[in-house]
Amino acid sequence: EAGVVQSPRYKIIEKKQPVAFWCNPISGHNTLYWYLQNLGQGPELLIRYENEEAVDDSQLPKDRFSAERLKGVDSTLKIQPAELGDSAVYLCASSTSAGGHADTQYFGPGTRLTVL
Amino acid sequence: DQQVKQNSPSLSVQEGRISILNCDYTNSMFDYFLWYKKYPAEGPTFLISISSIKDKNEDGRFTVFLNKSAKHLSLHIVPSQPGDSAVYFCAASGGTSYDKVIFGPGTSLSVIP
Repeated sequence: EAGVVQSPRYKIIEKKQPVAFWCNPISGHNTLYWYLQNLGQGPELLIRYENEEAVDDSQLPKDRFSAERLKGVDSTLKIQPAELGDSAVYLCASSTSAGGHADTQYFGPGTRLTVL
Repeated sequence: DQQVKQNSPSLSVQEGRISILNCDYTNSMFDYFLWYKKYPAEGPTFLISISSIKDKNEDGRFTVFLNKSAKHLSLHIVPSQPGDSAVYFCAASGGTSYDKVIFGPGTSLSVIP
């Protein structure tokens, strides 16, 4: 079974430029997550989708960040414009929605963003 | 305010010995806890979990212990192997955000051959 796919793996941009990250979840997983991971810290949730609906985007900085999951499968996270502080690893994860407690999340390898 | 704390950024253990990774939480509404393991340049992978109705869960060499009164859990790895060298994240969920997982900052484990 293929895992969560993310691209690109690495991205270097100058500040004020736009950047986009792509994620393809595990087939059949209707829940998709985008996390931000700073160095020395754990993943922090940016947004969670149930199918195409964003059910938790409370931690997404909406002035510069946007995300979409139009057909309830793959997803794109965008930053425009990027700032120096956005340098981090952006992780995508997916899970089934069995209900009840937190479902096991399967993570992609992440995209390491460097903003110069 | 960190709701899930892992106060040891790093830990070194000899191969064959026991590794004990600790985790503390502040939110008394958390009722489900998970450990994830992360190798460099890879995403975290699920390792083991425990519900608050239990105080111990075991899976092979990995055992998680939960002390609800102390709001503390620990992951024991016995015996430790060099392939266990990774960053371990403690995570928790529960309360009104039962399906939202809060991760700790991680502990980097090095198992020395």
